[in-house]
Amino acid sequence: QSVLTQPPSASGTPGQRVTISCSGSSSNIGSNTVNWYQQLPGTAPKLLIYSNNQRPSGVPDRFSGSKSGTSASLAISGLQSEDEADYYCAAWDDSLNGDVVFGGGTKLTVL
Amino acid sequence: QVQLVQSGAEVKKPGASVKVSCKASGYTFTSYDINWVRQATGQGLEWMGWMNPNSGNTGYAQKFQGRVTMTRNTSISTAYMELSSLRSEDTAVYYCARKYQLLWYNWFDPWGQGTLVTVSS
Repeated sequence: QSVLTQPPSASGTPGQRVTISCSGSSSNIGSNTVNWYQQLPGTAPKLLIYSNNQRPSGVPDRFSGSKSGTSASLAISGLQSEDEADYYCAAWDDSLNGDVVFGGGTKLTVL
Repeated sequence: QVQLVQSGAEVKKPGASVKVSCKASGYTFTSYDINWVRQATGQGLEWMGWMNPNSGNTGYAQKFQGRVTMTRNTSISTAYMELSSLRSEDTAVYYCARKYQLLWYNWFDPWGQGTLVTVSS
C-alpha cells in the first residue's frame, strides 16, 4: 500500500486532456514538492515534472503539473499514443526520516 | 551526457546476497547522492535508500534496515547496493537514480536502466 494515492488507471482518446491525481498528507506533499515520473513499457522511469510544475528540457509542454495543499495532479493535453505509460508521483516525507514516498502508479491508456 | 549504467541481471538462491553496481558518467560523481528504487513485476516503485558518494553517508528505508548496504568506489565513479538474506519477495528490477538538488528542491534524474534480480531455489 503506497503512501501517496493515485488512481490505478486513466484513459483518453487522442487529442483529449486527461488528469491524474496524487493525494498525500501534510508530512509529504503538504511539506515538500512533488515530482512526476513517466515509465514507458519495459523501460526505466524518466523524470517528467519536478518541483510541482517544472518541465525538464525535452518534455513537451502538453505535460503540466500542479499542487494544492496535500494533493497534486498531472495534466496531459493533446493526448498522443506515445503517452501510453505508467505515471508515478513522488515526494520526500518529513515524518519518515526524510524517506522518499511514491504513489502506486497510474496506467494511462490511449484508446 | 549524464548517465547511469547498471550491472547485468542476477539469479540468486533464497538466503544469498546480491550486489548491484551503478556506474556514473558525464558528471562529478561525488557531487550528487545516489538513490536506489526497486520495482517488483507489475508493481509500483519502492524507495530503498540513499548514499552520499562524497562522504559515504547512507540512509535506508526502515523496511530494508539491516539487510541493505550502499557503498561506493569513487575512483571508478561507481555506486553499489548489496541486499542480503534474499527471499522470493525480493525478486524485482532494481534501479539507481541520481538525486539532483536545487536549493530545497530535489528530484531523481537520470535513472539507471535497471537490474533484474531473481530469487529462486
